[in-house]
Amino acid sequence: NAGVTQTPKFQVLKTGQSMTLQCAQDMNHEYMSWYRQDPGMGLRLIHYSVGAGITDQGEVPNGYNVSRSTTEDFPLRLLSAAPSQTSVYFCASSHGTGLQETQYFGPGTRLLVL
Amino acid sequence: GQSLEQPSEVTAVEGAIVQINCTYQTSGFYGLSWYQQHDGGAPTFLSYNALDGLEETGRFSSFLSRSDSYGYLLLQELQMKDSASYFCAVRDDTGRRALTFGSGTRLQVQP
Repeated sequence: NAGVTQTPKFQVLKTGQSMTLQCAQDMNHEYMSWYRQDPGMGLRLIHYSVGAGITDQGEVPNGYNVSRSTTEDFPLRLLSAAPSQTSVYFCASSHGTGLQETQYFGPGTRLLVL
Repeated sequence: GQSLEQPSEVTAVEGAIVQINCTYQTSGFYGLSWYQQHDGGAPTFLSYNALDGLEETGRFSSFLSRSDSYGYLLLQELQMKDSASYFCAVRDDTGRRALTFGSGTRLQVQP
């Protein structure tokens, strides 16, 4: 199993450009999420999905869109990039086992917006 | 809302024992998790406590006191490779199946 994969690894954008960060998992997990991590900080939830066709907003959703057409894929779209979106983006997936929710993270996408 | 507090940085020497504390505030508690993140890497799961007490996994142990809203991660026989950031996390209390993370504790292991 590849686990959670993300592409690209690095990206430089100009203000106003749009792009899509790709995320895929091969563990058949129903739950997927996107986090952003800024220097010296923890991870903040952007959007999440509890299954194909179902998405919802997290803590910091503004400026981002998501869709979940399949169980495997959960792309994150930046609509009009801003310097404040410079960050490292992590995709994660999980399957619930009772109350425990162990998240499996992808390697991250490092985004710089100029 | 939820909040987690943990020290920003801890330094220890190789072979020693170090404890990383975490206090939390949440309206609905589903357990405390710990994640490790090396520089440039992704967070990886270390441990989970749902009930009071100590959970041991090799050199790492995690403790929880629900009455004190407090937990800690204990790392024994420190190795240089343990230099990383450690995050405590609680499950979101708004019904989202997500985690709310602390800001992380950067552990530096010195020779």
